[in-house]
Amino acid sequence: DTGVSQDPRHKITKRGQNVTFRCDPISEHNRLYWYRQTLGQGPEFLTYFQNEAQLEKSRLLSDRFSAERPKGSFSTLEIQRTEQGDSAMYLCASSLRRDRVTDTQYFGPGTRLTVL
Amino acid sequence: AQSVTQLDSQVPVFEEAPVELRCNYSSSVSVYLFWYVQYPNQGLQLLLKYLSGSTLVKGINGFEAEFNKSQTSFHLRKPSVHISDTAEYFCAVRTNFGNEKLTFGTGTRLTIIP
Repeated sequence: DTGVSQDPRHKITKRGQNVTFRCDPISEHNRLYWYRQTLGQGPEFLTYFQNEAQLEKSRLLSDRFSAERPKGSFSTLEIQRTEQGDSAMYLCASSLRRDRVTDTQYFGPGTRLTVL
Repeated sequence: AQSVTQLDSQVPVFEEAPVELRCNYSSSVSVYLFWYVQYPNQGLQLLLKYLSGSTLVKGINGFEAEFNKSQTSFHLRKPSVHISDTAEYFCAVRTNFGNEKLTFGTGTRLTIIP
């Protein structure tokens, strides 16, 4: 068990560019969550997957954001036409839901996005 | 919907002194409660959790928390802090059904004074 990993750890981009982040969850975990954390705030829920199905998206997730988890393993989060307000830490977490019980969410190190 | 309030945004404490970080929550349904710690430029690490059973929960690094249903609180305590405890601490809640997303407070920055 190597924990949740995220790539890249840091991304600096110019306004209007597209960016993509990757999250690799703990191997047997079937749930995967994306959160966004801005300076001085706690993380806020963006979206989550049960296996490969995206089951819910927060209203924080504008149409410029898209997330996928094609084979129920790793996930990607893409932001199109980035804006300065997108600058934040993007956190991924995974958990195991089994027998109608869900374990703790374990977090990755995050990807810090800076939009210039 | 659930919400979490961490009234203290910053708490300075002398090394080896006790500390209490306050957390109050609001929810119309039963929730699970968590404390996470975040060191600079890192993700969140679970300190402890309350799911059911004993209201006093012990976690890693000598931390403990007590669930008080009548006061809707889940305060975090440590009897003697160390320099290495300097970090941001987040209280969070989630339901045990549906999306089970975590709802976080705004965090408390714990600063240990040598």
